[in-house]
Amino acid sequence: AQKITQTQPGMFVQEKEAVTLDCTYDTSDQSYGLFWYKQPSSGEMIFLIYQGSYDEQNATEGRYSLNFQKARKSANLVISASQLGDSAMYFCAMREGRGNYGQNFVFGPGTRLSVLP
Amino acid sequence: DGGITQSPKYLFRKEGQNVTLSCEQNLNHDAMYWYRQDPGQGLRLIYYSQIVNDFQKGDIAEGYSVSREKKESFPLTVTSAQKNPTAFYLCASSIYGVSYNEQFFGPGTRLTVL
Repeated sequence: AQKITQTQPGMFVQEKEAVTLDCTYDTSDQSYGLFWYKQPSSGEMIFLIYQGSYDEQNATEGRYSLNFQKARKSANLVISASQLGDSAMYFCAMREGRGNYGQNFVFGPGTRLSVLP
Repeated sequence: DGGITQSPKYLFRKEGQNVTLSCEQNLNHDAMYWYRQDPGQGLRLIYYSQIVNDFQKGDIAEGYSVSREKKESFPLTVTSAQKNPTAFYLCASSIYGVSYNEQFFGPGTRLTVL
């Protein structure tokens, strides 16, 4: 079963508009972390934002914010004021547990975002 | 500057040949990972290592081998047993033991089998 689901293979947004990229996850752990990465066409993976399962407030990093709804097991990425440079693949990832297990990250299939001028 | 280096950036291999992809990090991270990415797809875990001299198979380990003789280095060998090795390979590292530490990625190696 898929642990990370990203239901939008591709998204378009107008420059300067906000866009939400969806991510739902599946875990039975109480302790886990959720991450978003950006992958431009060059292939590098750029860390954007992190949300811990015990964090009560939604994470924010500049123009990025994470809409965390724990009961629904969703961790959507919101990009405000889109820029042309935001065009890239975006991956949602989860790291379960702590300590001697759960060292693996699980990645979703990604969403390709295209920002239109 | 701390980071992860992968070499080479592009690699061409003839069918039937083994090839080794290099991954080095100076972040003092215990855990290191290898992922494979096919065009338009997500990342699939090949191998990971939590400490020196120890490594575990990921989801798609068949046809690959690794070693972890030094904390800083985690080379990946693509063997002739890997039937479809043409892909983009990403190496990553992270702090071991806590769920809030992100993975840091290298720039990747694009392998093409001729």
